[in-house]
Amino acid sequence: DAGVIQSPRHEVTEMGQEVTLRCKPISGHNSLFWYRQTMMRGLELLIYFNNNVPIDDSGMPEDRFSAKMPNASFSTLKIQPSEPRDSAVYFCASSYHTEAFFGQGTRLTVV
Amino acid sequence: KNEVEQSPQNLTAQEGEFITINCSYSVGISALHWLQQHPGGGIVSLFMLSSGKKKHGRLIATINIQEKHSSLHITASHPRDSAVYICAVGGSQGNLIFGKGTKLSVKP
Repeated sequence: DAGVIQSPRHEVTEMGQEVTLRCKPISGHNSLFWYRQTMMRGLELLIYFNNNVPIDDSGMPEDRFSAKMPNASFSTLKIQPSEPRDSAVYFCASSYHTEAFFGQGTRLTVV
Repeated sequence: KNEVEQSPQNLTAQEGEFITINCSYSVGISALHWLQQHPGGGIVSLFMLSSGKKKHGRLIATINIQEKHSSLHITASHPRDSAVYICAVGGSQGNLIFGKGTKLSVKP
């Protein structure tokens, strides 16, 4: 398996634009997580899904953020409209039981 | 107070030294994870443990459930061990709460 695949690896966008981050989890994993990493706050859980159903989205900072998991092999994290303070590295991870495997991350810069 | 506390925040060592990074947590957990993040940002899972001790090469991780404390040890440290080491505690679904990380620099 190629591991957790995220795209794009890097994204630079202007403030106010919509940004969509994508994640393909490891086949057979039943949980998927979106994390955000910033210098100030470190790694934080944004939302996680179990069997494609959102379980806990309390980490989603604002209504500008939304996440979907239409099937077991794909998830998106959308920010609309984006703001400079959204600049961070966004990680997707998947797990079966409790061991988590991380994607390479998407470095988002909002200018 | 953070739910997961790591110490030290920064650590510089000479090649060959024995290194210990500590992690204390205040919440109930299903498992504790040690992660490694290299410059360039990728995160790799080193260990997942819920009791006792695990060893992989020069890395050893221990956990004391009663004391809510874990340690990560690196024996015979090498410059390629330079990275940020992150302790994370997991709930039953695998969702993680992270420590702030320990930045390790091993000098040749």
